[in-house]
Amino acid sequence: EAQVTQNPRYLITVTGKKLTVTCSQNMNHEYMSWYRQDPGLGLRQIYYSMNVEVTDKGDVPEGYKVSRKEKRNFPLILESPSPNQTSLYFCASGRSGGAWNEQFFGPGTRLTVL
Amino acid sequence: TQLLEQSPQFLSIQEGENLTVYCNSSSVFSSLQWYRQEPGEGPVLLVTVVTGGEVKKLKRLTFQFGDARKDSSLHITAAQPGDTGLYLCAGEIYGGATNKLIFGTGTLLAVQP
Repeated sequence: EAQVTQNPRYLITVTGKKLTVTCSQNMNHEYMSWYRQDPGLGLRQIYYSMNVEVTDKGDVPEGYKVSRKEKRNFPLILESPSPNQTSLYFCASGRSGGAWNEQFFGPGTRLTVL
Repeated sequence: TQLLEQSPQFLSIQEGENLTVYCNSSSVFSSLQWYRQEPGEGPVLLVTVVTGGEVKKLKRLTFQFGDARKDSSLHITAAQPGDTGLYLCAGEIYGGATNKLIFGTGTLLAVQP
């Protein structure tokens, strides 16, 4: 089954404790992206990747890191999480970053930083 | 910063009613996508409109792209409880190496049986 998987689905942590949210897709997509979703703000892009070893900042990259060592995986790293990073996070993938790019979303990771 | 405003933010209606959701911006988009998101899941693409004035139908859902490609609407006829969810519009902006998707603020629809 074609899908984007994220782990964990739920995470409660404390300020400053490094964490990684994993994302994996089995559709051989070149393009992958991370978003955060907050009430009233919609989906905001954190980082995206056009292909292996190619990553770039989205609209809200501060406090986040990513890596793309393999085509299928695109982990999101919070080196020192803070309470304002409490949010619902989505990973997405697509065939390319070109026109009419449909993005396939994972189920989401709900993160709470105390 | 491009902004996509959706209205209304919340909508609660009875089964069988019609409704329209609006998506507006001052920016011009190369295409406009509509997604539906159900609780506990990620957004799922419903449709992409590309040409100014384009109308697409998906069963009881009708999507229209504004003539100037700055706005879009989603009309649902005879809403069903299964239509309940968060509806998101997303405008695509040509960005050179990659196009960028700007998501709207969302419309939360609840259809009561």
